[in-house]
Amino acid sequence: KAGVTQTPRYLIKTRGQQVTLSCSPISGHRSVSWYQQTPGQGLQFLFEYFSETQRNKGNFPGRFSGRQFSNSRSEMNVSTLELGDSALYLCASSVSGRTDTQYFGPGTRLTVL
Amino acid sequence: GQQLNQSPQSMFIQEGEDVSMNCTSSSIFNTWLWYKQDPGEGPVLLIALYKAGELTSNGRLTAQFGITRKDSFLNISASIPSDVGIYFCAGPSLGSAGNNRKLIWGLGTSLAVNP
Repeated sequence: KAGVTQTPRYLIKTRGQQVTLSCSPISGHRSVSWYQQTPGQGLQFLFEYFSETQRNKGNFPGRFSGRQFSNSRSEMNVSTLELGDSALYLCASSVSGRTDTQYFGPGTRLTVL
Repeated sequence: GQQLNQSPQSMFIQEGEDVSMNCTSSSIFNTWLWYKQDPGEGPVLLIALYKAGELTSNGRLTAQFGITRKDSFLNISASIPSDVGIYFCAGPSLGSAGNNRKLIWGLGTSLAVNP
């Protein structure tokens, strides 16, 4: 069974640009959660999608948005990039959304210059 | 808001030594999760704890859910080079019901093992 895949793995953008990251969950998993990981703040929850609906949201500004498609694949978008958005963005999938049954992808490393 | 304080921040040990790390919070958690993250990878769940006082093992790893529900401990026995990585504790945020919970994470303990 293939794991969670994230594309691209690495991305370099400049301030003010926008970026879209993609996450393909494990087959049969309907929940996708997104996390931002930075050395100073650790992992912080962004949002969770289940069956194309956002079920949970973390404390991030509106520049961070996401969506989920009917095949459970998810994208997150960050508009008007800031230097502080440089981070590893992780997605995790699970069948129902239980946090103790999540499988994480390898992440997308975003660098904002 | 809820925070998890993890210690130590980093450890450098000799192969074969035992390792202990802990996670504390000022608020109660109903579940404690311990993860390991290797470089270039996402976190992998090692152990999940659901009940105060619970002691659970996974191979050479043992974790305990503190009686006060405000702390948890992870021990690794007879460390080997592949134990190198960052270990995180995490727990579901209170305030949302059912499965729809977001995880609160510690900042991690970085483990280095000298062969």
